[in-house]
Amino acid sequence: EPEVTQTPSHQVTQMGQEVILRCVPISNHLYFYWYRQILGQKVEFLVSFYNNEISEKSEIFDDQFSVERPDGSNFTLKIRSTKLEDSAMYFCASTQTGLQETQYFGPGTRLLVL
Amino acid sequence: GQQLNQSPQSMFIQEGEDVSMNCTSSSIFNTWLWYKQDPGEGPVLLIALYKAGELTSNGRLTAQFGITRKDSFLNISASIPSDVGIYFCAGQPNTNAGKSTFGDGTTLTVKP
Repeated sequence: EPEVTQTPSHQVTQMGQEVILRCVPISNHLYFYWYRQILGQKVEFLVSFYNNEISEKSEIFDDQFSVERPDGSNFTLKIRSTKLEDSAMYFCASTQTGLQETQYFGPGTRLLVL
Repeated sequence: GQQLNQSPQSMFIQEGEDVSMNCTSSSIFNTWLWYKQDPGEGPVLLIALYKAGELTSNGRLTAQFGITRKDSFLNISASIPSDVGIYFCAGQPNTNAGKSTFGDGTTLTVKP
């Protein structure tokens, strides 16, 4: 069964450093998403991406965050200057059509900012 | 933004018991989803509901999309130890390309 993959599985970084989280969505999917989950809390929407542009973003997704689809398979989330409160699990998800559709989540990247 | 109230926050049950959890919202959703999350992993979809009033089963799991489109429940019958985990409801409005708003989760513990 096709699945969303994410790398790395864990990342430890110093505050102020840039990190790039990578995702490979399911191959025929067109809508891509990033969510984050702070330890012990609920999953929160960050951003949705379609047709090479951001469709919607939450208030969490400030100027420190950016997303990119650099090629036909990867979807990345960049955090320019990490803060302690960016420590969380980051989940990538994708859907085929976007509307009335289920999202398939990747296994997540655990980011720890020291 | 839209908020989902999920209850109960946690449940401790004996193996074999039935479980019920629910989500309510002040606004309408056009899709309700129920996910299970194991520690250190991503949410895994259990059931998706697309129509108000819809009742859908997946093995021992049954979920319903409320008539008002502002609520949904998930039932697990005859619980087993591997049902342990965190269960999240999520709602999708009609206007966005699949953005999901998640509930706070229900942590289920099953005692053998």
